[in-house]
Amino acid sequence: NAGVTQTPKFQVLKTGQSMTLQCAQDMNHNSMYWYRQDPGMGLRLIYYSASEGTTDKGEVPNGYNVSRLNKREFSLRLESAAPSQTSVYFCASRIAGQRNEQFFGPGTRLTVL
Amino acid sequence: DAKTTQPPSMDCAEGRAANLPCNHSTISGNEYVYWYRQIHSQGPQYIIHGLKNNETNEMASLIITEDRKSSTLILPHATLRDTAVYYCIVRPYTGANSKLTFGKGITLSVRP
Repeated sequence: NAGVTQTPKFQVLKTGQSMTLQCAQDMNHNSMYWYRQDPGMGLRLIYYSASEGTTDKGEVPNGYNVSRLNKREFSLRLESAAPSQTSVYFCASRIAGQRNEQFFGPGTRLTVL
Repeated sequence: DAKTTQPPSMDCAEGRAANLPCNHSTISGNEYVYWYRQIHSQGPQYIIHGLKNNETNEMASLIITEDRKSSTLILPHATLRDTAVYYCIVRPYTGANSKLTFGKGITLSVRP
C-alpha cells in the first residue's frame, strides 16, 4: 500500500494564479482531510470529507475549495492564490473503529509570490 | 475541543526515557487523549491514545492522571530518530467530524 499520496511535492505560484492539489489514499478510508501548516505552527484544518460526496469546512476554509472525486481522491483548489496561502499542505485519511487514527501524506510545499 | 498545554521544548539523552507532559484541565468525559508526532517536515504520525487507563504499544506508553487533567507520554528508550515535535490532542472518540486540533506541540531533542 502506498498509503496517502500527494502531488505535487513542491509548487511556486504567482499571486492570482490557480492550482489544484491532489490527494489519494489506497486504504479504503471513508474520511479525508486537508490541513495547512505555517512555519513554527501546528496544523490547521481547511476542509474535510466525512464520506464520498460530502465536504465540510474546517477552521480556515476561506480561499479554498475541495472536491471529493471518489472514495480514494480528495482535491484542494486555490482559485486565486495569495501570498498568505504560502504554506505546507497535508492531506490525511482516517480509519474508523478502535484507533480512530489519521494517516498523513508527505505534504505539498506551496509558495505564492 | 478541549485545549492542551505543553512546554515548548525539552531534551533527553539517547537511550534514556523521555517523559513528555501535557495538561488538559478542561477535558470532557467523552474526550480521549491522542498523541501524534511530526518528524522534520513530514506528515504527523499517530503514536497512541487513551481515555483514562494507562496504555502501552510498541512505540510508547501513555499515563493519564486519575482526574484526567494531565497526561505523560513516555518513550522508554529514546533514540536520535525520536527527535520530533510531539502533539498532545484531546477529542471525542468517534465521528468523521472528530477533528484533530493541533497546537504548537513540544519539540523533543534527543542528544547523543
